[in-house]
Amino acid sequence: GEDVEQSLFLSVREGDSSVINCTYTDSSSTYLYWYKQEPGAGLQLLTYIFSNMDMKQDQRLTVLLNKKDKHLSLRIADTQTGDSAIYFCAEKVGGGKLIFGQGTELSVKP
Amino acid sequence: DTAVSQTPKYLVTQMGNDKSIKCEQNLGHDTMYWYKQDSKKFLKIMFSYNNKELIINETVPNRFSPKSPDKAHLNLHINSLELGDSAVYFCASSPTSGGLGDNEQFFGPGTRLTVL
Repeated sequence: GEDVEQSLFLSVREGDSSVINCTYTDSSSTYLYWYKQEPGAGLQLLTYIFSNMDMKQDQRLTVLLNKKDKHLSLRIADTQTGDSAIYFCAEKVGGGKLIFGQGTELSVKP
Repeated sequence: DTAVSQTPKYLVTQMGNDKSIKCEQNLGHDTMYWYKQDSKKFLKIMFSYNNKELIINETVPNRFSPKSPDKAHLNLHINSLELGDSAVYFCASSPTSGGLGDNEQFFGPGTRLTVL
């Protein structure tokens, strides 16, 4: 089946690291994505990882993939108030379809 | 320059009416999508078109009819609107070759539909 799950809320203090977790069920996923949605806006692609990779780092963002456990995480280093948003995990499945998680609302407190 | 644009941004209408939402992309992409985001922020694909041809059609009531006059446009027409249709509708586009995993999707700003 196609299912992606995330915890709904995460609250951190400015300057701390944030870790947002995601689990997925489709073992045939080829790419996994992290999107950011700010209030009243569309989704913006943050980063992605190919399914044969374990880790990808892009400036303050680190993506870790455990394919055996079907677990994906996004770590944001030195979290800023501007990082407050909803973060969506998504997997690409057959037919080029993206299956999204419910989104994790990240709240950064000064 | 807006890559993926949607009109209108807000749409408030009565139950039973028929309405359309328009989407245009100027990225030269071949594939376009419609997603629905409900009040709990859950985002689900509805349709996708590739070069004006329907390729994904999820379980969506047939009151929803997408129309693609050319590969830069994908409009969504909704007949006999119901309260449960209230949501934010996002259009997206992607290249069919190249890009990230052939499926880097660029999203429009969304259309907030409210059915009274």
